Amino acid sequence: EDQVTQSPEALRLQEGESSSLNCSYTVSGLRGLFWYRQDPGKGPEFLFTLYSAGEEKEKERLKATLTKKESFLHITAPKPEDSATYLCAVQAWANNDMRFGAGTRLTVKP
Amino acid sequence: GAGVSQSPSNKVTEKGKDVELRCDPISGHTALYWYRQSLGQGLEFLIYFQGNSAPDKSGLPSDRFSAERTGGSVSTLTIQRTQQEDSAVYLCASSSPRYNEQFFGPGTRLTVL
Repeated sequence: EDQVTQSPEALRLQEGESSSLNCSYTVSGLRGLFWYRQDPGKGPEFLFTLYSAGEEKEKERLKATLTKKESFLHITAPKPEDSATYLCAVQAWANNDMRFGAGTRLTVKP
Repeated sequence: GAGVSQSPSNKVTEKGKDVELRCDPISGHTALYWYRQSLGQGLEFLIYFQGNSAPDKSGLPSDRFSAERTGGSVSTLTIQRTQQEDSAVYLCASSSPRYNEQFFGPGTRLTVL
């Protein structure tokens, strides 16, 4: 069965303090691994799709990387506006849906 | 270029009543998904529509849940005889034929009293 585990559950950083969020996954035939950002009371906002091990994508202060077992979302010099819950999801070739992790709740203090 | 829209944004109902939740996908997106997000939990897949193909209903938790998609566009999720455990945020997403990234609506927060 496809599984996604995110760690840590919650992360508190000072503004400018870089860190990484982890997404460990097991899937039969990875079609894609997705990162989303979710603000309270809103739907998830798409950030990145990664398709194969070794792939990296960047957007502003965020960089996502992928191996055969896990993905990392690196946050460089975060700002308070980066505070949100970050969700990781995988999609297998055999399935139509995405399997989501429980998310990492990130708080960045000024 | 409007995004995915959902209505209502909030719905409070009494146990045993039926509710209908609506989703308008992004124009041109052929795939439509419904998910449920309970407090502190991850997103749970409910149902998937792709064009005119038969929907994938494998995530529906019980036969009280059903969904339809008319004309390949708007979708309605219906929950019959609501129970308190149905309280959650119901999210709709759509994706284009070319890319499989899913774009989400703002959700409908359902509260069953």
